[in-house]
Amino acid sequence: GAGVSQSPSNKVTEKGKDVELRCDPISGHTALYWYRQSLGQGLEFLIYFQGNSAPDKSGLPSDRFSAERTGGSVSTLTIQRTQQEDSAVYLCASSPGTVQESYYGTDTQYFGPGTRLTVL
Amino acid sequence: AQKITQTQPGMFVQEKEAVTLDCTYDTSDPSYGLFWYKQPSSGEMIFLIYQGSYDQQNATEGRYSLNFQKARKSANLVISASQLGDSAMYFCAMREGPTGNQFYFGTGTSLTVIP
Repeated sequence: GAGVSQSPSNKVTEKGKDVELRCDPISGHTALYWYRQSLGQGLEFLIYFQGNSAPDKSGLPSDRFSAERTGGSVSTLTIQRTQQEDSAVYLCASSPGTVQESYYGTDTQYFGPGTRLTVL
Repeated sequence: AQKITQTQPGMFVQEKEAVTLDCTYDTSDPSYGLFWYKQPSSGEMIFLIYQGSYDQQNATEGRYSLNFQKARKSANLVISASQLGDSAMYFCAMREGPTGNQFYFGTGTSLTVIP
């Protein structure tokens, strides 16, 4: 079946502009995650959605970052007034999010190809 | 304390040899999952293998096996019969059980397979 898709694959913007990054999770997956990966670095957790529960926003680096998930499916990550330090690859992942797998911590994430954001 | 520690920034292995990538973790949660991902230069994160904390046997997936030592809190990835296509970054990750939303990732190990 179709995997996680993200768009655009590349985004170049000017400092101060707003950008929107889109993630389309695997059909039926209730959990969705956003991460940021700077060049040569590991993954930085940004935000987590699980079904209709309130999202875990604890990883968002500033109030310029926000995300929403409409209808429990597609998610949009918005960065307002972009700064050069926002340049990174933004990765989205989804997981089945079943109660049992979440309880035992065995819920496997599947990643999209990422969006490479460059802020000039 | 770091939730996931990968102490090998870079590793080299001869083609067709086996290699072990180290990962240690820190949690007080009895329920957790441990995962390994591969990230080639193309940037995609590819799921390789996982181990649940209650699993009695070490996980295996083809040439990948996870050496799970619960008492030592280690979850090393073993790649047998290395191939040139195995050259990539490898990330160890953990998800804690009932209380955890986040997946915690290590800093990664860069593996280079030498022909």
